[in-house]
Amino acid sequence: GAGVSQSPSNKVTEKGKDVELRCDPISGHTALYWYRQSLGQGLEFLIYFQGNSAPDKSGLPSDRFSAERTGGSVSTLTIQRTQQEDSAVYLCASSVFDSVTYEQYFGPGTRLTVT
Amino acid sequence: AQSVTQLGSHVSVSEGALVLLRCNYSSSVPPYLFWYVQYPNQGLQLLLKYTTGATLVKGINGFEAEFKKSETSFHLTKPSAHMSDAAEYFCAVRGGSARQLTFGSGTQLTVLP
Repeated sequence: GAGVSQSPSNKVTEKGKDVELRCDPISGHTALYWYRQSLGQGLEFLIYFQGNSAPDKSGLPSDRFSAERTGGSVSTLTIQRTQQEDSAVYLCASSVFDSVTYEQYFGPGTRLTVT
Repeated sequence: AQSVTQLGSHVSVSEGALVLLRCNYSSSVPPYLFWYVQYPNQGLQLLLKYTTGATLVKGINGFEAEFKKSETSFHLTKPSAHMSDAAEYFCAVRGGSARQLTFGSGTQLTVLP
């Protein structure tokens, strides 16, 4: 079956511009996660959605970052007024709401470059 | 809170040699432990996981890992390295009520012919 998909695969933007990154989770997966992978910080958790519950935003680095999930499926991560330190690969993952493992399936990522 | 330490950011082995990638974790609650592999320009793929039960866990591509609570370790091994194993490997932990994964800094594995 189809895995997690992300778009665009690459995004180059100018400092100060807003960007939107999209994630399509695996059908039927109720949990969705965003992570950021950068050279200096490794893999960092950003935000987590589970069903209709309020998202866990504890990993968002600043108020320039926000995310939404529409209809319990597609998610969009928005970065406003991008800065050079936002350059990273943004990974999305999804999982079945399982009480034991929450095994996460990752998408290929969006590589964001802020110039 | 949880944390993961991967010893050795780069490991090189010869083809056919034993692969050993080290992972130590810190968790205040019983952990769930994972190893992921990342090939260039791709997302993360799950190799194996430990939840409960048997402490020796077998995964895909001939990899296995052993959960040692007394040593707070979850080292990844493979008896015989293949060229196709060259990739970056991440150890991750999830504990308690946390749903997100906490990752180690990764180990880049190079396989020499």
